[in-house]
Amino acid sequence: GNSVTQMEGPVTLSEEAFLTINCTYTATGYPSLFWYVQYPGEGLQLLLKATKADDKGSNKGFEATYRKETTSFHLEKGSVQVSDSAVYFCALSDPPGTNAGKSTFGDGTTLTVKP
Amino acid sequence: GAVVSQHPSRVICKSGTSVKIECRSLDFQATTMFWYRQFPKQSLMLMATSNEGSKATYEQGVEKDKFLINHASLTLSTLTVTSAHPEDSSFYICSAERTGGYEQFFGPGTRLTVL
Repeated sequence: GNSVTQMEGPVTLSEEAFLTINCTYTATGYPSLFWYVQYPGEGLQLLLKATKADDKGSNKGFEATYRKETTSFHLEKGSVQVSDSAVYFCALSDPPGTNAGKSTFGDGTTLTVKP
Repeated sequence: GAVVSQHPSRVICKSGTSVKIECRSLDFQATTMFWYRQFPKQSLMLMATSNEGSKATYEQGVEKDKFLINHASLTLSTLTVTSAHPEDSSFYICSAERTGGYEQFFGPGTRLTVL
């Protein structure tokens, strides 16, 4: 079955530091890949997505590239801010038209950014 | 667009009572909705897939009679926790998949506390 493995946290960085959160996956076929962010006490918000190999998703300074050869979708940001402190989830779903779009989530990585 | 709401956002109830949580897609039709449970500092656990007009599909280990799901329309799914006990206390999150699409849109979550 599908699985997602995320870098274990927590991750603590100083403001303006470079961020990388690793994510690798196991899936058959060509899944769609997502990064979600969850702020304390809230639901999940889609941060970015990629639906095919070599696609780069980007939003709010965050980026992730769909690497099929390494089955990875690492999240990066060049300069983090205190407001980026949250839990980040990597997820995949089966391609459109298959399996009702069920998503598989990683365990989440807690990021704390200190001023 | 693609907003999903949940009601209530927080609920506290006594052991043995039943609690209903609503999930609504506000500006799109959702043939499929998903219900997740999240324990503190843990990832999302898919409980069931809810399809409009048909019975929900429950994940292994989730009690159907305990967690009743009704997807009566293309914009509303409800989760009823029957005879709630303290171990049912958790953060419940729903998501909705736009009809014909593959991306999930998440609600803000409902914090259930059973005394």
